[in-house]
Order: sequence, then structure tokens, then C-alpha cells
Amino acid sequence: GAVVSQHPSWVICKSGTSVKIECRSLDFQATTMFWYRQFPKQSLMLMATSNEGSKATYEQGVEKDKFLINHASLTLSTLTVTSAHPEDSSFYICSARAPEGHTGELFFGEGSRLTVL
Amino acid sequence: AQTVTQSQPEMSVQEAETVTLSCTYDTSESDYYLFWYKQPPSRQMILVIRQEAYKQQNATENRFSVNFQKAAKSFSLKISDSQLGDAAMYFCVQETSGSRLTFGEGTQLTVNP
Repeated sequence: GAVVSQHPSWVICKSGTSVKIECRSLDFQATTMFWYRQFPKQSLMLMATSNEGSKATYEQGVEKDKFLINHASLTLSTLTVTSAHPEDSSFYICSARAPEGHTGELFFGEGSRLTVL
Repeated sequence: AQTVTQSQPEMSVQEAETVTLSCTYDTSESDYYLFWYKQPPSRQMILVIRQEAYKQQNATENRFSVNFQKAAKSFSLKISDSQLGDAAMYFCVQETSGSRLTFGEGTQLTVNP
């Protein structure tokens, strides 16, 4: 079945540095990918919709300059947390839809845990 | 705006017994999809079952079934013959236009041996 992979699965960085998280669809092309944020024991909150070849669409309250999203190819979307601060520590998850379109299943990556010291 | 509400933060069930997880939602759209996803300790989101809003028949998937009440905007999940591997956080999810997902707060299910 379709697989979505994230890398890294766990990253620790110093405050003020930038961190890039990759989301890849391994065996299908995804024109649209989604990025979510999950705090401990809480639900997933949609951050942005990543569109291949165009700018991402951010949800209200999400700083686009803070969370840079690039969808350079049909199999790769990246989320860069710029000038990270401890409050950015969270679990970030991406998802992509299988190529059957709207009826296709949404597949989730394994998630990336970011800890900012 | 879409909202999804899971009123049970935690539930527990004895192995081999049946448990029902509740979910209500609100949307002004007529075409949408509903899902139950489970998130085990590994944090990997796993699709349990899906329901198309235009279908009246309740979806079933082996030991998992839903009770979809469209007029009441209710979408409960029934797990029969519960197994230890069913222990996880369960999220009720609504998908509306543009593939946007709205997640409920989650229900942590514990299965007791």
C-alpha cells in the first residue's frame, strides 16, 4: 500500500536554530500534502496545506514565516521551523492522499518529534 | 467551520468485550467523509474505518463498525471482541472540501486483560 515517510523521526536542536523536516510519498505522487502539529495528549491541528509547485496555504494563526513549507516535487514536501524556540517543541505529522483522488485514503507519516532546548 | 467532539477522554474495556466510542460533528457541508483513526504509542496514525456521508449503510471492517446518524450528526465506533492490540488513542475525523481534516480531541482506549 501507499507509504508516507518522514525524516527525521526525532530531532533536538538549540534555540535559535532552524530545523527541516521532510515528508516523502514513497510509491505515489502527491500534489497535495498536509502538515499537522500535535502537542502531548492532544489532537492533531492542521497547520498548512502544501501544494506542489505553488505556495502553501496556512491555517489561521500559523506563522508562515516561522514554519516554511516547500513542496518542490510530487513526492517531497518539507517543513522548516525557523529560529526555533522551546515553545515550538512538538510532534509534527504530515499526510498525503493516495492518487485515487478524493476517494483515496489519506496516509500519514510516522511523525517527527522536535525538541528545542 | 467544522467541529468534531469526542466526549470521552478515556475509555476502558475488558479483553473480548465490546466498547463504543462516541463522536459528534458539525458541518454545513452536504458532502463529507468521516473516519476513525487510531494512534498507538508509536504515534503512527492508522485508518480504522471510513464512512461516506452520502451512504446510509453503516460501514463495517471486521471487528469495527460504526453507527452513522447523519441527521443527528453522530458517528460512533463499536469495537467488538476487543483485543489488547486495540489499545490506542482513537480520533474521530471529518474530511470536508479540499481534503481538510478536522480531528476530535481523541479517546484513549485501554484494553484490560
